[in-house]
Order: sequence, then C-alpha cells, then structure tokens
Amino acid sequence: QVTLRESGPALVKPTQTLTLTCTFSGFTLGSSGMCVSWVRQPPGKALEWLALIDWADAKDYTTSLKTRLTISRDTSKNQVVLTMTDMDPVDTATYYCARGVTTLRFFDYWGQGTLVTVSS
Amino acid sequence: DIQMTQSPSYVSASVGDRVTITCRASQGISSWLAWYQQKPGKAPKLLIYAASTLQSDVPSRFSGSGSGTDFTLTIRSLQPEDFATYYCQQGNSFPRTFGQGTKVDIK
Repeated sequence: QVTLRESGPALVKPTQTLTLTCTFSGFTLGSSGMCVSWVRQPPGKALEWLALIDWADAKDYTTSLKTRLTISRDTSKNQVVLTMTDMDPVDTATYYCARGVTTLRFFDYWGQGTLVTVSS
Repeated sequence: DIQMTQSPSYVSASVGDRVTITCRASQGISSWLAWYQQKPGKAPKLLIYAASTLQSDVPSRFSGSGSGTDFTLTIRSLQPEDFATYYCQQGNSFPRTFGQGTKVDIK
C-alpha cells in the first residue's frame, strides 16, 4: 500500500535553512503520472500548497515562496526533499508531503505531517 | 494565482442534518476541484475529486457538484464522524491553491 513519511528537524532558528525529507513506498515516482507535493499548515490555520515534483522531474512552486523553496527527488531512495531558506517564525507549521496523480490533479495519499517550529 | 473562497467558514449542525459547503474560484477551473476532510491532529483525507467523483471508501452521503467557478460539497445526513474541517483545492493550474476551510461543529 502507499505510505509517505516526513522527517526533519522539529526546531530551527530564524534565518536557518530547513530541509525536510519525504520517504515513500507503494509507488514509483518515476512512473508516468506520479507526483509528490509539499503542503503546510500553520497551527490553527488553513492548508497551503508549497511545491510539487513529478515523474518527469518537472517542478512547480507557490508564488509567494518561490525564491526560498527547492524541491528535489532521489528516485533510487524513494525520497523527495524540500529545502526552505531563511526561515522565520511565521513558517512555523506542520509540513505534509502528499502523493498526487498529475492527470487527476489531486492528492490521494498523505503523510502524517511533521511540526516544524521556528524560534531562537 | 487562483483564489479559492469557501463559505461559510463555520457551520454548527446536528447529527442527521444536511450540510452544504460552497467553494468559489476566482477564475474558471473547469471541474478540477477536490474536497478534503481534516480532523484535528490528522492529515487531510481526500473525499471527492474532479468536482463530483467520490474517492473509494468514502460514504455515499458525501457528494460534490459544480463546474467553472462555483462548487458545492454536500453531506446528506451528518454523522458523528463527519465533524471536521473541510477544504477545497483547485487543480486547474499552478500554483495549486486551497480554500480557507469550513469547520463543521456540533450544535
């Protein structure tokens, strides 16, 4: 079955770079139509889509954070990595990775999420 | 970017009630709309995609409709396990965007 799991630091300091890893199983990112996205949710607030990488290694980012985000993949390890530079307390959130199907344009499997707190 | 606006932001309802949530896109998105349910401390769960297609294992009391800019999620007879926050998401173009959420609470 399809599973995804996020990993990374629970606490980062302001101005630091955050690196999150999504390790997945049950599908192959290199298969046509597959993609993985990152979505975050500040405490008590709405979901915010951040980035996507697909089976062809195409990437897309949310407009407001485009200059700070980088998404990449390691298909041999079944991992997708998100880096976010210049972290700020407003970036405190639960970060989720989710599988998508590019032709259907939704996210059908989600990781449990990882809470990242930005504080000095 | 396409903005997704949900209404209401909050609804108080009783078990057995019919609940309707609306999602409006700032520009036409054809039928590229999904609905998710999220319970506290949990990841979102896909309910409906392509505006009206029920994801497998989702109860038939959930239904979706709409196309273009206006969409609706209906819960026909609210069950205790349906009290949650619901989000719409557009898949018409990048960047993908979510609505601000609708919390369904117990009256």
